[in-house]
Amino acid sequence: EIVMTQSPATLSVSPGERATLSCRPSQSVSSNLAWYQQIPGQAPRLLIYGASTRATGIPARFSGSGSGTEFTLTISSLQSEDFAVYYCQQYNNWPFTFGQGTKLEIK
Amino acid sequence: EVQLVQSGAEVKKPGESLKISCQGSGYIFISYWIGWVRQMPGKGLEWMGIIYPGDSDTRYSPSLQGQVTISADKSISTAYLQWSSLKASDTAMYYCVSPKGGFGSPTDYWGQGTLVTVSS
Repeated sequence: EIVMTQSPATLSVSPGERATLSCRPSQSVSSNLAWYQQIPGQAPRLLIYGASTRATGIPARFSGSGSGTEFTLTISSLQSEDFAVYYCQQYNNWPFTFGQGTKLEIK
Repeated sequence: EVQLVQSGAEVKKPGESLKISCQGSGYIFISYWIGWVRQMPGKGLEWMGIIYPGDSDTRYSPSLQGQVTISADKSISTAYLQWSSLKASDTAMYYCVSPKGGFGSPTDYWGQGTLVTVSS
């Protein structure tokens, strides 16, 4: 099973600033990496797939990069609605696995 | 519009059985994989298993193999997650999900979640 390690566990950022979240699989997942946003009390929402492609309706301030064993999610200018928990997930090998999440909180 | 509509919250006692459901609409149910993701209280997301309703091909996460049963009824476009003997540790939110690109693609569609509480 591929272990997904996200860092940091919690990130405190002020609105309008940039946030950078990291995800490192224990082995290469090629570009088969997705990012999800989960607001408390809601189901997760797909943000990014293929490591860098925004899902339908996702604002351009969200961007993803990386391949293999190192990935990054960047939110360029944080809005109030962006404060949530973010998960990465690999879908290269079954079982598909999620990282433990990064909680993005208001500084 | 693709929708995955899950059955309502359940409160059960340890040792009881349970079957929760997820009805798909807005797409050809038998042509897309449908799976289940668990979220224990205050914790992260965990894939449990996935089924292809067209031929009932089913994959389970090795850590959960034997603990649950995933099935589908093509005639009513519904997938199921079933337990024969619940434990307190099964308390969680369960999401029905579907990757529209097929097995090994991102999870585009999510149900609203079914909260299962197991307590004596």
